[in-house]
Amino acid sequence: SYELTQPLSVSVALGQTAMITCGGNNIGGKNVHWYHQRPGQAPVLVIYRDTYRPSGIPERFSGANSGNTATLTINGAQAGDEADYYCQVWDSTTAVFGGGTKLSVL
Amino acid sequence: EVQLVDSGGGLVKPGGSLRLSCAASGFAFDSYSMNWVRQAPGKGLEWVSSISSSSFNIYYADSVRGRFTISRDNAKNSLFLQMNSLRVEDTAVYYCARDLLAFGSSPFDIWGHGTMVTVSS
Repeated sequence: SYELTQPLSVSVALGQTAMITCGGNNIGGKNVHWYHQRPGQAPVLVIYRDTYRPSGIPERFSGANSGNTATLTINGAQAGDEADYYCQVWDSTTAVFGGGTKLSVL
Repeated sequence: EVQLVDSGGGLVKPGGSLRLSCAASGFAFDSYSMNWVRQAPGKGLEWVSSISSSSFNIYYADSVRGRFTISRDNAKNSLFLQMNSLRVEDTAVYYCARDLLAFGSSPFDIWGHGTMVTVSS
């Protein structure tokens, strides 16, 4: 089965740039979607198909995907960005989530 | 307002059954494929099942295939998950979620608030 690997945690200083990675075998050949989830809340889609932002998601959020690594970048991190972040792909008839990364904004 | 409201969770003994529901509003429910995603306490997201807009295509995670059945009633704007032979490891918050794009390749753009299922003796 296909696996996605994310770092358990990432820390970023307020106003700086955070990068969260998602590793998978030839993930560059798949469409990667990203979600954030604040404690006690449902997930929210922040990037889809590698680089697209849903309406309402700030331009600070961007994505890239190549080779064996997809990356979510958050420019000018704010306190409200502190959350768990999950990547997701489809592998044949199965949706696969990464294990999640806790982003701390210091 | 586009909205999904999950319900039906509760406490059930191992081997028991439960039926979850998800009521959709604010969009053309019969035009969208739908999904169930769960999250065990303190753990990450796990996809459970997907159903196409017409119910023609259905996918299941290996962990629930043969025990869970996804269905929908487009006339009532509702999605369901019938869960049988429940196990302790099925304990989780269950979310219904809408597909943004084509079935089987889509991100999930709208999520319900979740309903808690606890399997315990």
